[in-house]
Amino acid sequence: EPEVTQTPSHQVTQMGQEVILRCVPISNHLYFYWYRQILGQKVEFLVSFYNNEISEKSEIFDDQFSVERPDGSNFTLKIRSTKLEDSAMYFCASSEEGTGGGNEQFFGPGTRLTVL
Amino acid sequence: AQSVTQLGSHVSVSEGALVLLRCNYSSSVPPYLFWYVQYPNQGLQLLLKYTSAATLVKGINGFEAEFKKSETSFHLTKPSAHMSDAAEYFCAVSTTSYDKVIFGPGTSLSVIP
Repeated sequence: EPEVTQTPSHQVTQMGQEVILRCVPISNHLYFYWYRQILGQKVEFLVSFYNNEISEKSEIFDDQFSVERPDGSNFTLKIRSTKLEDSAMYFCASSEEGTGGGNEQFFGPGTRLTVL
Repeated sequence: AQSVTQLGSHVSVSEGALVLLRCNYSSSVPPYLFWYVQYPNQGLQLLLKYTSAATLVKGINGFEAEFKKSETSFHLTKPSAHMSDAAEYFCAVSTTSYDKVIFGPGTSLSVIP
């Protein structure tokens, strides 16, 4: 069964360093998303991406964050200068069609980011 | 603005007992509603979804949920809990107005032997 994959599963970095979190969405999906879950808190939307551009972003997704689809398979989230409060589990998701039609988003297993 | 509340951050049930996890939503437009489950150290898996067809929705693993517009609720139930049901459960909402899913705070389900 097709699935969303994410690498690495755990990333440890020093405050101020850049990190790139990688995702491989399901191959025929066109909509891509990043969410994060701070330990013990709810899952929060960061950004949605369609047709090589951001379609929506939350207030969390400030200038320190960027997303890219560098090739036909990968979808990346970059944090330019990490802060302690960026420590969280980051989930990538994809959907065949936009969520606006109630279509399911398929989630990856997540990358746990720890900022020291 | 759309939002989701889940009554009870932690619910414990005995094996074989009824599972009831509560979810209420707020939405200015007709919503699409989802229940996701998260097992320890795993990602989010869709249990079921409501997309304006039948108000009683059946999902995987014996779970079902009923959409009640008058109560703005979408409670999740399962007649008989199994040990394997122990996990975190998230209710979520989306609408046609935006392309994202808004999650509730989650309910941790424990199943007691």
